[in-house]
Amino acid sequence: GAVVSQHPSRVICKSGTSVKIECRSLDFQATTMFWYRQFPKQSLMLMATSNEGSKATYEQGVEKDKFLINHASLTLSTLTVTSAHPEDSSFYICSAVGTGYEQYFGPGTRLTVT
Amino acid sequence: KQEVTQIPAALSVPEGENLVLNCSFTDSAIYNLQWFRQDPGKGLTSLLLIQSSQREQTSGRLNASLDKSSGRSTLYIAASQPGDSATYLCAVAGNTPLVFGKGTRLSVIA
Repeated sequence: GAVVSQHPSRVICKSGTSVKIECRSLDFQATTMFWYRQFPKQSLMLMATSNEGSKATYEQGVEKDKFLINHASLTLSTLTVTSAHPEDSSFYICSAVGTGYEQYFGPGTRLTVT
Repeated sequence: KQEVTQIPAALSVPEGENLVLNCSFTDSAIYNLQWFRQDPGKGLTSLLLIQSSQREQTSGRLNASLDKSSGRSTLYIAASQPGDSATYLCAVAGNTPLVFGKGTRLSVIA
């Protein structure tokens, strides 16, 4: 089946630094990838839609200058959390869209900002 | 705006019981509905995908049904096992990306 990887799986960073998270579709090409965030005991919330070769579309309330998304190829999207703060600590999950609107999810990245 | 609700929020059952998890959605114009499993601190594992033209899908001890007209889906787990303990999420895909319910936290007691 389709596999999506994320790197890193866990990251701890200091407040004010930036962190990059990679999302890769390993055995298929994905024109569209999505980035989600999940706070403890909450459901997944969509942050942004990442389309290859174009600017990402952000959901209301998500700061595009803080969460930089780059979808430079059909198999890679990156999310950079800039000037991270403790409130950005969360579980970030990406997904890549298959041909039948199925979404294949990465394993997630747990970000802790100290 | 699509809204997805899952009932119950939490469920605890003894091992061996059959159980049903419920999912409802407000907009019936969907492409598909997916059920996921999430273990604590882990990413999502897709369990079953039902296209809008289908009524049910089965995988092992799992059976998911879809009634698009009434905006409902159920996930049936037969002969539950402690390893089934996890949070189960349903999500619908329409003209927007997946919209998730808040999940049902299942505990299967040995």
